Amino acid sequence: KNQVEQSPQSLIILEGKNCTLQCNYTVSPFSNLRWYKQDTGRGPVSLTIMTFSENTKSNGRYTATLDADTKQSSLHITASQLSDSASYICVVSAITGAGSYQLTFGKGTKLSVIP
Amino acid sequence: DAGITQSPRHKVTETGTPVTLRCHQTENHRYMYWYRQDPGHGLRLIHYSYGVKDTDKGEVSDGYSVSRSKTEDFLLTLESATSSQTSVYFCAISESRGSSHNEQFFGPGTRLTVL
Repeated sequence: KNQVEQSPQSLIILEGKNCTLQCNYTVSPFSNLRWYKQDTGRGPVSLTIMTFSENTKSNGRYTATLDADTKQSSLHITASQLSDSASYICVVSAITGAGSYQLTFGKGTKLSVIP
Repeated sequence: DAGITQSPRHKVTETGTPVTLRCHQTENHRYMYWYRQDPGHGLRLIHYSYGVKDTDKGEVSDGYSVSRSKTEDFLLTLESATSSQTSVYFCAISESRGSSHNEQFFGPGTRLTVL
């Protein structure tokens, strides 16, 4: 069964500090991995997408890494801001054949940035 | 929220009553999805549509039905609401399901409470 596990479940950090969120998956055959940011009361919004051949991808202060061999990804947030307070969801896509794919969602990490 | 609206945004109803949630998009995307989001779970797919009048079940489809009579509208119906269907419901859209890089764009969500 395809699974996506995220850690930690929740995290509190001081404004200006860095943090790293983890995502481990057992999805196969792997297509890509996305990190979504979900603000309270809003729908998820894509931050980055990573394919099998990509190791690192940045989007501003967000940097995602992917190790396809160990099936692990991380999302690093640099110089955190209050607006980074949100849930971060790891979503892994598996190829299901016939040109279609299936998404498996992690439960998310709830990040709180405090002044 | 990428030209996606959901209505109502909040609803409280009683067990046994029918409920219909609406998703409307202005992006002319072919694929539309309904998810539910509950504490302790990742987003779970209820139903999806790959065109007008073309729908298929997701992983948690029991107790739900859908209809798509126009490209822009996707309706989710709970024929007889139960307390276990209390959740936040998200609609999502995508251009295709066959691209490995395909991104799903999410609506703002509908919070449904079944008493």
